[in-house]
Amino acid sequence: GENVEQHPSTLSVQEGDSAVIKCTYSDSASNYFPWYKQELGKRPQLIIDIRSNVGEKKDQRIAVTLNKTAKHFSLHITETQPEDSAVYFCAALSNDYKLSFGAGTTVTVRA
Amino acid sequence: NAGVTQTPKFQVLKTGQSMTLQCAQDMNHNSMYWYRQDPGMGLRLIYYSASEGTTDKGEVPNGYNVSRLNKREFSLRLESAAPSQTSVYFCASTLTGQETQYFGPGTRLLVL
Repeated sequence: GENVEQHPSTLSVQEGDSAVIKCTYSDSASNYFPWYKQELGKRPQLIIDIRSNVGEKKDQRIAVTLNKTAKHFSLHITETQPEDSAVYFCAALSNDYKLSFGAGTTVTVRA
Repeated sequence: NAGVTQTPKFQVLKTGQSMTLQCAQDMNHNSMYWYRQDPGMGLRLIYYSASEGTTDKGEVPNGYNVSRLNKREFSLRLESAAPSQTSVYFCASTLTGQETQYFGPGTRLLVL
């Protein structure tokens, strides 16, 4: 089955700086890669996703890049703000529509 | 629309007790999922149901059973709870053939 690895497990950044989270996956047939944000005690919420036919996607301060050859994808948050503090999960969807999640990255934005 | 709802929000069980976690969605989604979330391990798939009347095992099905009661509802049952099943349980749903999964608010389960 699919195996998703996520790094780093924790990330502390100064407000206004950028944050980058990286994930790798094992199943070359995976074709959809969402990123979820989870605030303390809340449900995971989709923040951005990318499909295998696209190399990069941007939504305001958030961007995701995908390298299918290397089987890795990354989340980039620019101009970080205190409300960006949360746990972020990457995931990969295999062709049987099962999502496999990374272990999560706890992002702390220091004021 | 309420989206995906789960009951209860929080439950404490003693080892060996049984309980059923309820999940319902009002988005006319075909596929529904149960995950557990443990610290440092992300979300792991317990069971899923691609459509009404079908269920399949995920990554960690041992100790659980599921029922897809109808298109809206997908329940998760613990027949004999164990401390290792202490976790946060999330239900999710999606349209078959679509990728985006929508999550419920979660059920926090503590097994003593």
